[in-house]
Amino acid sequence: NAGVTQTPKFRVLKTGQSMTLLCAQDMNHEYMYWYRQDPGMGLRLIHYSVGEGTTAKGEVPDGYNVSRLKKQNFLLGLESAAPSQTSVYFCASEQAVNQPQHFGDGTRLSIL
Amino acid sequence: AQKITQTQPGMFVQEKEAVTLDCTYDTSDPSYGLFWYKQPSSGEMIFLIYQGSYDQQNATEGRYSLNFQKARKSANLVISASQLGDSAMYFCAMRERVLIDYKLSFGAGTTVTVRA
Repeated sequence: NAGVTQTPKFRVLKTGQSMTLLCAQDMNHEYMYWYRQDPGMGLRLIHYSVGEGTTAKGEVPDGYNVSRLKKQNFLLGLESAAPSQTSVYFCASEQAVNQPQHFGDGTRLSIL
Repeated sequence: AQKITQTQPGMFVQEKEAVTLDCTYDTSDPSYGLFWYKQPSSGEMIFLIYQGSYDQQNATEGRYSLNFQKARKSANLVISASQLGDSAMYFCAMRERVLIDYKLSFGAGTTVTVRA
């Protein structure tokens, strides 16, 4: 049972480059989320999706885009990476609002 | 305004002793949920315990219990009989309704170090 899988686990980018982080879940969950984790700040919500074909902005959406073309996948894109986007990115999914979110193992992204 | 406040950046506890991690929250949603997650040094987020705002009893899961004081908006995590493997970062989180969706807000976390 894979749960939530994030690809890649590590990446180093140069300023201005673009990339896409992939999140895949095999639990048939409706809700999916992208967070970033920075030292001393806990997790902050970037974007989320309440179902296939839907996306919405979270707390810190600027500089990121997302897509949920398939229920099991939630993609996070950085169109033009900036050093301020250096962070650890977590994807999560959940079945219902009173259920715990299941997290991926995170993607450590460094922007030089 | 901070939705979730964890005032203890770091704590040390002796093995086999209990430790209490503080968490206070702020919401106007009458139907909310509170979660605690553990993040070991390996980085993954592990769900520990959940408390719904209408739950009458404090939640318990093995060595974890949640001291829920609704009037004080407090949801402290108690870890009993600490083990070396409990050394980790612990996050308190709150699920509340925001407009038409539900959002999960995290505190800044508390680092727990268990000493042998």
